[in-house]
Amino acid sequence: EVRLVESGGGLVKPGGSLRLSCAASGFTFSRYTMNWVRQAPGKGLEWVSSINSAGGDIHYADSGKGRFTISRDNANDSLFLQMSRLRVEDTAVYYCARRVEGNYDFWGRGILVTVSS
Amino acid sequence: EVVLTQSPGTLSLSPGERATLSCRSSQSLSSKYFGWYQQKPGQAPRLLIYGASNRATGIPDRFSGSGSGTDFTLTISRLEPEDFAVYYCQQYGSSPPVSFGQGTRLEIK
Repeated sequence: EVRLVESGGGLVKPGGSLRLSCAASGFTFSRYTMNWVRQAPGKGLEWVSSINSAGGDIHYADSGKGRFTISRDNANDSLFLQMSRLRVEDTAVYYCARRVEGNYDFWGRGILVTVSS
Repeated sequence: EVVLTQSPGTLSLSPGERATLSCRSSQSLSSKYFGWYQQKPGQAPRLLIYGASNRATGIPDRFSGSGSGTDFTLTISRLEPEDFAVYYCQQYGSSPPVSFGQGTRLEIK
C-alpha cells in the first residue's frame, strides 16, 4: 500500500523557518518525481515545488522561490521542504504528492503550517 | 502563465442527476497531462481522471473526462450521495509547471 506521511508542521512566527518531511512507503520512492502542494484555509490547491527522481531537476512556484528548498533522500524514502522567511500567507495545509506522468496519483494527509505572530 | 478557469463555481444538483463540470485553459494544453481531482472536507485530493479521459484506479465508471486543447469536461453520469465534494482540474507542462483550477463545489440541491 502506498503511504505518504507528512510531518514537521506547526506554528511559526513571520520570518521564521520550518522543515517539512514526507515519509514514503509501499513503492519504489527513488523512481518517482515528488511534489509539495499546499492549500490555504478555505482556498484551492496551489502547487509549491517538484523534484525529479534523482533530485537533479527542481522547480518552484514563484511564491516560494528564494525561500523554499525541496530535497529528497532516496536511501531513506523521504522528501523534504525547507521553508524560510515565512510569511502569513504561507499558512496552509502542505501535501506531499507523487506524480506519475503529469498527474498526482497519491497524496499524503497533509500537515498544517501556521504562520502567525 | 497558464490559467485554468473552472465553471460553474458551485453546482447544485440532486442525487441521480447528471453533473457536467467545465475547465477552460488560457492556453492550449497537452491532454496527456490533464487531470481531475475530488476533495472532500478534511481529506486530501483524490485523482479521478488522468490524461484527460482515463479513470484512475478504483474510480467508478460514472465518472468520465473529455476534452482537448483549451476545453475539458468532467461528467458524473448519475450522482451518488458520496459525490458531493469539490472538484479541481489540473495541468502539467506549461508555465508554471503545474497549475490547478479554482475548484467547483458540487452541492446537494
